Amino acid sequence: KAGVTQTPRYLIKTRGQQVTLSCSPISGHRSVSWYQQTPGQGLQFLFEYFSETQRNKGNFPGRFSGRQFSNSRSEMNVSTLELGDSALYLCASSGDSVSGANVLTFGAGSRLTVL
Amino acid sequence: LAKTTQPISMDSYEGQEVNITCSHNNIATNDYITWYQQFPSQGPRFIIQGYKTKVTNEVASLFIPADRKSSTLSLPRVSLSDTAVYYCLVGPLGAAGNKLTFGGGTRVLVKP
Repeated sequence: KAGVTQTPRYLIKTRGQQVTLSCSPISGHRSVSWYQQTPGQGLQFLFEYFSETQRNKGNFPGRFSGRQFSNSRSEMNVSTLELGDSALYLCASSGDSVSGANVLTFGAGSRLTVL
Repeated sequence: LAKTTQPISMDSYEGQEVNITCSHNNIATNDYITWYQQFPSQGPRFIIQGYKTKVTNEVASLFIPADRKSSTLSLPRVSLSDTAVYYCLVGPLGAAGNKLTFGGGTRVLVKP
């Protein structure tokens, strides 16, 4: 069973540019959530999508946005990049079962460097 | 939401047992405790999940006392490849995002 796939793995942008990151969840998983990870702040929740609808949102500015497609693949976009946006962006998917253990499966992440 | 606290770092030696404790004093009745392992530039990888008492799998054990205000991840006989950051997460089953509380992570260094 393929895991969570994130692309690109690494990218470098300059301030003011925008970036789009992609996440393909595990087949059958309908929930996709995004996180920003930095050395100083740890794992910070960005947003969660379920069946193409944003179900939860973290405390990030409107420059951060996302969407989910009918095949559960998700993208996140960051506009007007700032130096502080440099981070590892992680995507996680999970199934929607209500019984038994249900855990987040993370992708390898997209490492964004803003110069 | 439960607030989780973990030690920042721990050192150990190959072959020893490593125990990492996570404090979650205000854990809710429907919250589970999940531990993840993360290597540099990789996403966190699921290790173990539990609700109460003891859970064991092929890589680790999770001890949760009756009051559930803390949990201890036990890694038996660690090797150099177990050097990583370990995260404790608390939240309901199937939860994501702001329904979860992430610990700050414990950096474990295994020395030869």
